[in-house]
Amino acid sequence: DQQVKQNSPSLSVQEGRISILNCDYTNSMFDYFLWYKKYPAEGPTFLISISSIKDKNEDGRFTVFLNKSAKHLSLHIVPSQPGDSAVYFCAASMDSNYQLIWGAGTKLIIKP
Amino acid sequence: DGGITQSPKYLFRKEGQNVTLSCEQNLNHDAMYWYRQDPGQGLRLIYYSQIVNDFQKGDIAEGYSVSREKKESFPLTVTSAQKNPTAFYLCASSTGTGSEKLFFGSGTQLSVL
Repeated sequence: DQQVKQNSPSLSVQEGRISILNCDYTNSMFDYFLWYKKYPAEGPTFLISISSIKDKNEDGRFTVFLNKSAKHLSLHIVPSQPGDSAVYFCAASMDSNYQLIWGAGTKLIIKP
Repeated sequence: DGGITQSPKYLFRKEGQNVTLSCEQNLNHDAMYWYRQDPGQGLRLIYYSQIVNDFQKGDIAEGYSVSREKKESFPLTVTSAQKNPTAFYLCASSTGTGSEKLFFGSGTQLSVL
């Protein structure tokens, strides 16, 4: 049973436009969410996170929105740049639990 | 430069053979982790260690073993009992203070000959 779902395996966006990556979760006990970015043959790198006490967190071009009632979060990238082409993973955890639960990832392709 | 080093980058396993994947970190992190990634799937936790000489099984520990004799090192052995070992293996570390922000190595691709 997948507790964290990224239903879009891939997404193609024009350079300069907004990229929106979505993530849904089923476990209401999750209270911390993270986004990681991964290039081929490399390990993921941390991008941005959000605690369940917030509904929005912003860091430069990256904003994460959390809708707890819908058990949904999204990552917005504005404006999209060619270097943003990568696989983006959503992950979730419960307080004091070291185990992150990962989504399957969404491959983002930024078209010039 | 602080970071996590995984070696080798590519590894081939013969039938019935045990192989060991290396993971070293110089970030002075207490916690270390091993994940497995299969195509089209999220990362799955194999083992993790919060402190030297202690480790816990993750979701898919069967067919794997680990040791944590030093803070800097967390090697993973893929035993012959792991019948489907072909995957991308990622080692990670964190401060272990309840922070879930993980720092990852560049991974090892293991394939079966």
